[in-house]
Amino acid sequence: DVKVTQSSRYLVKRTGEKVFLECVQDMDHENMFWYRQDPGLGLRLIYFSYDVKMKEKGDIPEGYSVSREKKERFSLILESASTNQTSMYLCASSLIRQGGTEAFFGQGTRLTVV
Amino acid sequence: ELKVEQNPLFLSMQEGKNYTIYCNYSTTSDRLYWYRQDPGKSLESLFVLLSNGAVKQEGRLMASLDTKARLSTLHITAAVHDLSATYFCAVTPFQGAGSYQLTFGKGTKLSVIP
Repeated sequence: DVKVTQSSRYLVKRTGEKVFLECVQDMDHENMFWYRQDPGLGLRLIYFSYDVKMKEKGDIPEGYSVSREKKERFSLILESASTNQTSMYLCASSLIRQGGTEAFFGQGTRLTVV
Repeated sequence: ELKVEQNPLFLSMQEGKNYTIYCNYSTTSDRLYWYRQDPGKSLESLFVLLSNGAVKQEGRLMASLDTKARLSTLHITAAVHDLSATYFCAVTPFQGAGSYQLTFGKGTKLSVIP
C-alpha cells in the first residue's frame, strides 16, 4: 500500500513563527503536492513538485515555500506564520506517467496559528 | 487557470433514492479523478477516468467522463447511509508542465437520511 505520512496531525504555532510541515512517501512517486483545505473552499493547491529540487507554484503560493531535497520528502514552509494560515494541510503524491494515476493523500495536519 | 466546478455543493437525500453529482472543468483534459472524504479524515481515491466515454462502477457509485463536454458525473444508486461523505472531483490538464498539476472542485457534501 502507498503510504504518505505527514509529520504532525495537529500543530499550534504563534504568529510570526517559522513553521515546517513535513511529508514523506514510500512509493517512489515523482509528483508531490501540498494543499490546504478550508470549509467552503475545497482543496487549493499551494505548491507541487514533479522531481527532486523542482517546484511549481499552485494557485495560492503566497506566504509559503517548499523544499524537495530528496524524492521521498516534500516540506512546506511558512516563513512567518499568520492567523489566516490556520487551516488543514494535506500532502499527496502520485506517479507522473502518461495515463495518469491517482494521488494518494496523507492524513493531514491541522495547523492553528494564534 | 484551470477551474473545476461541482454541483450541487450540498446534497441531502433519502436512503434508496438515486442522484447524480456533476463535475465541470474548464480546460482540455482526459484524466479525471473522484475522491471521497469522511469527516476528520483524509481523501480516499474512488475512481480514475482516463479517456472519453470511460465509465467505472464500484458498488452503488458509478462515474463517467465526457471529455468533449468537459463533464464527469458521479451517479449514486439506491443510496445508503454509509455513502454519507464529501465527494471531490479533480482534474489534470492535458499537456505541458501543468499536466502534473491536480486541481480539485469544492466538493459535494452528501448526507443520506434513513
